[in-house]
This record gives sequence, structure tokens and C-alpha cells, in this order.
Amino acid sequence: DAGVIQSPRHEVTEMGQEVTLRCKPISGHDYLFWYRQTMMRGLELLIYFNNNVPIDDSGMPEDRFSAKMPNASFSTLKIQPSEPRDSAVYFCASSKMGGRATSEQFFGPGTRLTVL
Amino acid sequence: KQEVTQIPAALSVPEGENLVLNCSFTDSAIYNLQWFRQDPGKGLTSLLLIQSSQREQTSGRLNASLDKSSGRSTLYIAASQPGDSATYLCAVRPSSNTGKLIFGQGTTLQVKP
Repeated sequence: DAGVIQSPRHEVTEMGQEVTLRCKPISGHDYLFWYRQTMMRGLELLIYFNNNVPIDDSGMPEDRFSAKMPNASFSTLKIQPSEPRDSAVYFCASSKMGGRATSEQFFGPGTRLTVL
Repeated sequence: KQEVTQIPAALSVPEGENLVLNCSFTDSAIYNLQWFRQDPGKGLTSLLLIQSSQREQTSGRLNASLDKSSGRSTLYIAASQPGDSATYLCAVRPSSNTGKLIFGQGTTLQVKP
């Protein structure tokens, strides 16, 4: 398996622009997570899905952030409008928690977002 | 509210030393605990996962232990190598009802040749 795939790997944009981050989870995994990592706040969970349904979005910082999972193999995290304080590395992770699965989470390589 | 702490924030050791990384959590009612490694500019790689009913897990030179009652986990690295240099994070899953992980801030390890 190719692991969790994220695109783009790097994104530089100007304040006010819309940013869309993409994630393809590991095939067969039923949970998908979006995290944000900064030096100041460390790794924070933004939102997670179970079987394509959002379960907990309490970590989404503002209404400017939205996430969707239209099917089991694709998710997006959108920021509109973007602000300089959104600059961070955004990670997607997936896991399989049903049955005898251990619930180990597997992370993608991340998208480094810079908002100027 | 569950909080996860890792001390020290940074550690430097000479090659070949055995070392222990510490992780503590405030609420002992956890479902499992996972140790990750993160190389600079990279994503997280899962190292070991310990279920709440387990005391330890081993993988190669790594051994992770869990003491739920005291709210502690340790990651033991035997015969450290320069390639072990990375940031190590522990994360707690509070219950089986949530997929959420709560992360510590990490310990950045440097192993000098």
C-alpha cells in the first residue's frame, strides 16, 4: 500500500485566498483525521471522520475552516479566506478501528502551508 | 481534561547509550497509548502501540512500557545510533468511544556519533 497520500506537499498563498488540502487514506481504513502542527501549539486534532461521516470537529478553529469526505478514498480540508496565522503543517492520518484492528494511526507526509 | 506531557523536551546522548524517554498523562482512564517518531520535515511514523490492558510492547531495539495507575509510559531505546535522532511523540487515546489522540509536545533526541 502507498500509505496516506497528501497533496500538495507545499502551498504558498496570499492572505485572503482559498486553500484546499487533499488526502487519500489507506485503502480499507474507516477513520480519517486532520491535524495541524505548529511550533507554538504542537500537534492538534482539527476534525475526524468515521465511515465518511464527521464525528468530532471541535478542533476546527473557525468557520473559515471546513472539511469534507465525499467517499472512503478522498477528503479535503479547505480554508477560506486564509490568514497568515494559518501557516502550519497540516497532516492527514487514517486508521482501521473495527473488529480486531489495533486502531494504530498512520500519518501522511503533510502539507506545509505558508500564508503571506 | 486529559493532558500529555513529555520531559525532557530535548536530549543529547553519545552513540551506543541506552536511553529512556518519558511520557505522562493526567487521566489514567485511557484506551491505548501510541509512540511516534517524526523526522525533520516529515510526517509521523508509528513505532509502538500499547493497549490499556498491556504492560509493554517491543519492536527491535525499542521497548515501550505502560503504567496506567501512575499515568506514565516510557520508551526505552537500546544501543542508540545516530539514525535514531528524531522527535519522539507519545499520544493517548482516551476511550474506545473516540478515535481522538491527545499528543505530548515531544522529545527531540540527538544521538552523536
